Amino acid sequence: EDKVVQSPLSLVVHEGDTVTLNCSYEVTNFRSLLWYKQEKKAPTFLFMLTSSGIEKKSGRLSSILDKKELFSILNITATQTGDSAVYLCAVERSGGSYIPTFGRGTSLIVHP
Amino acid sequence: NAGVMQNPRHLVRRRGQEARLRCSPMKGHSHVYWYRQLPEEGLKFMVYLQKENIIDESGMPKERFSAEFPKEGPSILRIQQVVRGDSAAYFCASSPQGVGVLNQPQHFGDGTRLSIL
Repeated sequence: EDKVVQSPLSLVVHEGDTVTLNCSYEVTNFRSLLWYKQEKKAPTFLFMLTSSGIEKKSGRLSSILDKKELFSILNITATQTGDSAVYLCAVERSGGSYIPTFGRGTSLIVHP
Repeated sequence: NAGVMQNPRHLVRRRGQEARLRCSPMKGHSHVYWYRQLPEEGLKFMVYLQKENIIDESGMPKERFSAEFPKEGPSILRIQQVVRGDSAAYFCASSPQGVGVLNQPQHFGDGTRLSIL
């Protein structure tokens, strides 16, 4: 059975801090790893990672994948209160229906 | 350019009643996925549908739950004889083709919060 473990489960920081969220996985025939941000409603897509060592960046957010050690990190620099959300990690496997398996998420709270 | 639309946003039912949750995918998307989310848990896959076909229902309970995606109209997730344990947020996602075909992520709706009294 595919497995996605995120850590920490929750994190409280102050504005301006830098945070690192972790996602480790076990999946047969790995295809891709995805990061989503979920506030009160729909998860919104952040990154899709398929290759090791290539950093994806969007503003203050960046993510990288290590396919040898089976993990990914999501970095947020200079955090703002608007970054407060649950960050979900998911992995897709090749073959079959490509349905992603989600982790439990990391709840990030950024205080002003 | 509407995204994935789910309704109702909130649904309250008494034990034993039926719940119907609707999902209209993004324009141009023909693949729909339903997920359930309990508090402080990740999204659990339930069922994957194309127009008029169920592709994968491995995550859906065998009893009381059913899903359809007719040729015309939204996808419907139906829960019969609801019980307290069905209380959760139900999210729908869509993609233009199967996510593996185009290597594109799913786009999610805002979810339906189902509460069972």
